[in-house]
Amino acid sequence: KNEVEQSPQNLTAQEGEFITINCSYSVGISALHWLQQHPGGGIVSLFMLSSGKKKHGRLIATINIQEKHSSLHITASHPRDSAVYICAPRGTGANNLFFGTGTRLTVIP
Amino acid sequence: DAGVIQSPRHEVTEMGQEVTLRCKPISGHNSLFWYRQTMMRGLELLIYFNNNVPIDDSGMPEDRFSAKMPNASFSTLKIQPSEPRDSAVYFCASSPDSGYGYTFGSGTRLTVV
Repeated sequence: KNEVEQSPQNLTAQEGEFITINCSYSVGISALHWLQQHPGGGIVSLFMLSSGKKKHGRLIATINIQEKHSSLHITASHPRDSAVYICAPRGTGANNLFFGTGTRLTVIP
Repeated sequence: DAGVIQSPRHEVTEMGQEVTLRCKPISGHNSLFWYRQTMMRGLELLIYFNNNVPIDDSGMPEDRFSAKMPNASFSTLKIQPSEPRDSAVYFCASSPDSGYGYTFGSGTRLTVV
């Protein structure tokens, strides 16, 4: 079973701050998703990555497959970034995702 | 594309009743997943289908839960009889084999009283 740990569990930041959320997992994976869930419940996949780094606007995701670790960074954070961010590795030979417990981010104006 | 469509959005039912949740995946996605989210356990996989065939149902809690995918554009998750501990948000998601474009539905919030 793939154990997925995220840190921190809760994070409060001032608007404009640089945010980092970390994810570690225990077994080999084929890829990893970062998911965003806003209050009210909808879940969106922000990134899927299997190596290196991806950038989309103010969001950057990195992964180190050998170290079984991924990070999500948010530059110039904004109150609309307030959400739960969930690390979701994808197993090898399978399409289903495993899930971290999530990081609840609150960005204060 | 309208995305992954789930119905109903909300369901309140009495203990012992049958509940059926529905999902229409994105056209062309050949994998479909049912996930459940609770405060205690977070998100967890119930079952997933590939090309309409159930691949992994190890997350289905017990015999009260069943899922079908009769064709590429429709799936159901049925709970019979329902119990209060089944109260949760149930998400359907679909994906092509590559995993790119993994898309979640808006979820069904189930409350069993």
